Amino acid sequence: EDQVTQSPEALRLQEGESSSLNCSYTVSGLRGLFWYRQDPGKGPEFLFTLYSAGEEKEKERLKATLTKKESFLHITAPKPEDSATYLCAVQPGGSYIPTFGRGTSLIVHP
Amino acid sequence: DAGVIQSPRHEVTEMGQEVTLRCKPISGHNSLFWYRQTMMRGLELLIYFNNNVPIDDSGMPEDRFSAKMPNASFSTLKIQPSEPRDSAVYFCASKTDRGYNEQFFGPGTRLTVL
Repeated sequence: EDQVTQSPEALRLQEGESSSLNCSYTVSGLRGLFWYRQDPGKGPEFLFTLYSAGEEKEKERLKATLTKKESFLHITAPKPEDSATYLCAVQPGGSYIPTFGRGTSLIVHP
Repeated sequence: DAGVIQSPRHEVTEMGQEVTLRCKPISGHNSLFWYRQTMMRGLELLIYFNNNVPIDDSGMPEDRFSAKMPNASFSTLKIQPSEPRDSAVYFCASKTDRGYNEQFFGPGTRLTVL
């Protein structure tokens, strides 16, 4: 059974304090790993897709990396506007249905 | 593009009433997903349509839930009769099925069943 585990469940940072969110997965034939950002009262918003181990993608203060067992979302010098829940999802081979993790709730204090 | 459109945004109803949630996917997207999100269970897939055909409805909790996609630009999720435990945020998402790519989510419908 495909599984996605995100840690920590919640993370509080001071503005400028860099950190990383983890997404560990077990899936049959990974075809893609997705990161989404969800603000309160809104739907998840797509951030990145990673397709193979060793791949990295960046967007502003965010950088996503992928290994064969996990993905990290690195947040460099975060700002309060980065506060949100970050969701990870994995796409198994042979299926168009992704499996989502429970998310990490990030709060960045000014 | 207006993105995925859902209506209503908020719905408050009484136990036993019928509830219908609506979704308009992004034009050109041929895959549509209905999800339910709660604090306890996170984001759960209810049903997946491809080219207007239900492909996987294993996440539909019970016979009280039904979903239709009469055409490429419209889908409904119906709960009849509704129960307090159905209270949640319901999301619709769409995507193309060209490769393994991302989903685009709507703003959600917050359902409260009293």
